[in-house]
Amino acid sequence: KAGVTQTPRYLIKTRGQQVTLSCSPISGHRSVSWYQQTPGQGLQFLFEYFSETQRNKGNFPGRFSGRQFSNSRSEMNVSTLELGDSALYLCASSLLATSYEQYFGPGTRLTVT
Amino acid sequence: DQQVKQNSPSLSVQEGRISILNCDYTNSMFDYFLWYKKYPAEGPTFLISISSIKDKNEDGRFTVFLNKSAKHLSLHIVPSQPGDSAVYFCAAGARNNAGNMLTFGGGTRLMVKP
Repeated sequence: KAGVTQTPRYLIKTRGQQVTLSCSPISGHRSVSWYQQTPGQGLQFLFEYFSETQRNKGNFPGRFSGRQFSNSRSEMNVSTLELGDSALYLCASSLLATSYEQYFGPGTRLTVT
Repeated sequence: DQQVKQNSPSLSVQEGRISILNCDYTNSMFDYFLWYKKYPAEGPTFLISISSIKDKNEDGRFTVFLNKSAKHLSLHIVPSQPGDSAVYFCAAGARNNAGNMLTFGGGTRLMVKP
């Protein structure tokens, strides 16, 4: 079974631009979560989607948004990019709404210059 | 306010010896705990988990211990191997009205020396 895939793997953007990252969960998984990892930091929770509905949201500004499609694929968008948004963005999927185990993709490395 | 803390940013261990990674938490609502391993340029990989109703879970070389009264969990790797060198994250789960959420610690970099 294929794992979680994320595209693109690497991205360079300029301050003020916007970016869209994509995540395809493991087949059959319906919950998708997004995390931000910056150097020296753990994984900071961004948001979680289940059946196209955002169930939980982390403490990030409104510039960070996401959505989930009917096939469980998810996208996250960051508008008006800032230098501090440079990070590894990780997507994770889990099978059920009640599952704690999450399975991560390889991440998208975003660099903002 | 960090609800999940890994106080040791790094740990160095000789091959064949035991590695002990520690994690502390503050939120009593956490009822499930997980350990993940992360290599550079890869996403975290799920290692082992434990429910709050247990105090120990074992899977091969990996054992997780949970001390609820101390709000402390640890991961033991015996024997340690060079391939275990990675960053290890502990995570704690809680259910809220909207569903499940994981809170991660800051990670501990384990280096296993041959």
